[in-house]
Amino acid sequence: EAQVTQNPRYLITVTGKKLTVTCSQNMNHEYMSWYRQDPGLGLRQIYYSMNVEVTDKGDVPEGYKVSRKEKRNFPLILESPSPNQTSLYFCASSPRGTWTIETEAFFGQGTRLTVV
Amino acid sequence: DAKTTQPTSMDCAEGRAANLPCNHSTISGNEYVYWYRQIHSQGPQYIIHGLKNNETNEMASLIITEDRKSSTLILPHATLRDTAVYYCIVRVEVRDMRFGAGTRLTVKP
Repeated sequence: EAQVTQNPRYLITVTGKKLTVTCSQNMNHEYMSWYRQDPGLGLRQIYYSMNVEVTDKGDVPEGYKVSRKEKRNFPLILESPSPNQTSLYFCASSPRGTWTIETEAFFGQGTRLTVV
Repeated sequence: DAKTTQPTSMDCAEGRAANLPCNHSTISGNEYVYWYRQIHSQGPQYIIHGLKNNETNEMASLIITEDRKSSTLILPHATLRDTAVYYCIVRVEVRDMRFGAGTRLTVKP
């Protein structure tokens, strides 16, 4: 089944303790991205990747890191989490990121992160 | 700046058509209109997209005005499972996909 898989689905952690949220897709998609969703602020893009070893900042990249060492995986790294990073996180993938291709995005089921 | 304007909320009776409007008066010639929905706190789900022609798939129909400044998503026979937040997005590349507040559609029995 074609899907985007995020792990963990729920995570409670303490301030400053490094964590990684994993994202994997099995559709051989070139494009992957991360969003966070907060009440009243909607979905905001954190980082995106057009292909392996190509990443770029979205609208709210502060406090986050990403890497794209292989096509299927796009982990989101919080080196020193803070309470303002408490949020619902979504990973998404799409066949290509370039404008010449009409592309829909596939989203994972989300990771609910609480930083205390 | 918001690229789209949608009503905050709408109700629809079960079994009736749900018509969700979207204004995108500043849309440029190469921008597509996409619709996604988000049921509760699940990941957004693609519904349909179009450039200038009307489109239909198994989920919905998309009607785009001739001047492309507005569009309507039509769910022909809404069910309770269609209760969700519906997002209208205009974009060229997928990396430019920005979500607004969307329309909260409630389908009532």
